[in-house]
Amino acid sequence: QQQVKQSPQSLIVQKGGISIINCAYENTAFDYFPWYQQFPGKGPALLIAIRPDVSEKKEGRFTISFNKSAKQFSLHIMDSQPGDSATYFCAASHSGGSNYKLTFGKGTLLTVNP
Amino acid sequence: EAGVVQSPRYKIIEKKQPVAFWCNPISGHNTLYWYLQNLGQGPELLIRYENEEAVDDSQLPKDRFSAERLKGVDSTLKIQPAELGDSAVYLCASSAFTNEQYFGPGTRLTVT
Repeated sequence: QQQVKQSPQSLIVQKGGISIINCAYENTAFDYFPWYQQFPGKGPALLIAIRPDVSEKKEGRFTISFNKSAKQFSLHIMDSQPGDSATYFCAASHSGGSNYKLTFGKGTLLTVNP
Repeated sequence: EAGVVQSPRYKIIEKKQPVAFWCNPISGHNTLYWYLQNLGQGPELLIRYENEEAVDDSQLPKDRFSAERLKGVDSTLKIQPAELGDSAVYLCASSAFTNEQYFGPGTRLTVT
């Protein structure tokens, strides 16, 4: 059972454009939703995270939009740059019995063309 | 502040051989995680430690995998014997009483 579904699998955007990656979750107990950025040969790096008490969080060019009723959240990368080319993973966890266990989506390979 | 340190970064072994991975978490982080990442997939949790106690090892294949975290700091993940299907990246992460997990660079294991 895949608890976090991520789309698209790959995305090509022109420099300066907006990159949008979507995730949907099933477990309503999830209360923490991070996005990770991973470059080849590196470990995932925490990019930005949101909790369900807010609908949007912005950090620089990165914004998370969260829709609790639809059980969906998305990452928006504004003014995308070639240096943003990487694989992005959404994840979810809850603070209940499996404290802090992250369930990841399958990832989105983002390519930003110059 | 130093991040999560893992070694070795790469390991190539023949099947049926043993292998061990080492992780040093961020200083002060009480929780340590070992994840498995297959090519083109997101990380999957193998085991989670809170201090020296393994509190979630339900996904660890205990017939061949073992882990320890002596003194609640460094941790070692071992596979014995390794199988071809164990080829993957093994990631270590740590956190300090929060959901925010910070990952190391991983160890890429190739089993031939």
